[in-house]
Amino acid sequence: GAVVSQHPSRVICKSGTSVKIECRSLDFQATTMFWYRQFPKQSLMLMATSNEGSKATYEQGVEKDKFLINHASLTLSTLTVTSAHPEDSSFYICSARSRAGGSYEQYFGPGTRLTVT
Amino acid sequence: AQRVTQPEKLLSVFKGAPVELKCNYSYSGSPELFWYVQYSRQRLQLLLRHISRESIKGFTADLNKGETSFHLKKPFAQEEDSAMYYCALGAGNNRKLIWGLGTSLAVNP
Repeated sequence: GAVVSQHPSRVICKSGTSVKIECRSLDFQATTMFWYRQFPKQSLMLMATSNEGSKATYEQGVEKDKFLINHASLTLSTLTVTSAHPEDSSFYICSARSRAGGSYEQYFGPGTRLTVT
Repeated sequence: AQRVTQPEKLLSVFKGAPVELKCNYSYSGSPELFWYVQYSRQRLQLLLRHISRESIKGFTADLNKGETSFHLKKPFAQEEDSAMYYCALGAGNNRKLIWGLGTSLAVNP
């Protein structure tokens, strides 16, 4: 149980275009989903927290107009990187927290490798 | 301030040796602590949570509130334990995790 999927697993796009990444909880309802960036051999950087049906909460320094997050249902959150630039190239990971209980525990997706050329 | 410190970026041990990955935290409230592991080319997965007081894959971690530590230990390391280990602190109303920078464990044959 507690499986999170991400799509696509890898995407290459041209500078200036937008890219959408989907995060789905497959076998549970996710009250909250989190979006992270992970740089090579570095830790996770939390970008934003999204709660179903409400606006995402962005971490300091993360541009909300550039990284659009939508959490339309209890099983789906999307991250859209708008007007992508090469410096946006990174590994984007989502995680989801189960609706049940008050635990902090998060279940992670496999990540999406974004390359902006 | 809420913070998680993993002082070792890299830890290298021989197979069969004991291993301890250090984690210290700073939090004014009642902490909820986790260890996550990321094996090569795999997703992050939960290894341990302090409230469960369990042993997974031979690993244990005890919360020491006096020393504000949650060190991960295993008495006899195996090669398959080689991975990136992250300590995380649950904090805040939105239930986000505060992450350490991670420790890369290499278990040599």
